[in-house]
Amino acid sequence: QKEVEQDPGPLSVPEGAIVSLNCTYSNSAFQYFMWYRQYSRKGPELLMYTYSSGNKEDGRFTAQVDKSSKYISLFIRDSQPSDSATYLCAMSRGGSNYKLTFGKGTLLTVNP
Amino acid sequence: EAGVTQSPTHLIKTRGQQATLRCSPISGHTSVYWYQQALGLGLQFLLWYDEGEERNRGNFPPRFSGRQFPNYSSELNVNALELEDSALYLCASSQTRTSAGGELFFGEGSRLTVL
Repeated sequence: QKEVEQDPGPLSVPEGAIVSLNCTYSNSAFQYFMWYRQYSRKGPELLMYTYSSGNKEDGRFTAQVDKSSKYISLFIRDSQPSDSATYLCAMSRGGSNYKLTFGKGTLLTVNP
Repeated sequence: EAGVTQSPTHLIKTRGQQATLRCSPISGHTSVYWYQQALGLGLQFLLWYDEGEERNRGNFPPRFSGRQFPNYSSELNVNALELEDSALYLCASSQTRTSAGGELFFGEGSRLTVL
């Protein structure tokens, strides 16, 4: 079993839709959870950063972490064509270990 | 403020040659990470340098090596290139002492093509 599993999609939605992206993981030592957005031929950019379980909201984006289920989600409200990108979940144990373990990414297309 | 910068943007080599990729972290960041992003495989952790020392290494053969300089910039060397080394190589930096959870800032990457 891979440490982090992420449905690669592709996912295609109409503009204005609510998008739900998910990852599951197997390593219970993960404490920090991140979502990165990667546009084509660009480096990943940090979108959301959360510690332990709970929700975090930033504008149209909401990140949820359920450590008991080893499941994290990213919700995008009122999706825009500019949201079209690959979304990567990532997680780390924190402390002295800063290595991030990434999911393979989900390709999202928002159609006007 | 300048972000993480990487050079070259593109690099074409033939099998058996050596490739050198360079990275300058964000000012004030002391940690540099290297990741490989090959088609269909996602981001795979290669190396982590902090304060000039190698702190962690991913599951890659020894022909992948690197170093970090006193100004915190870094270099990734890939020796005896193989076709499967073709990938986007991403460098990231972080403020190790203030970022407990590995909040990384990535560069645009260097695309290596091995023919």
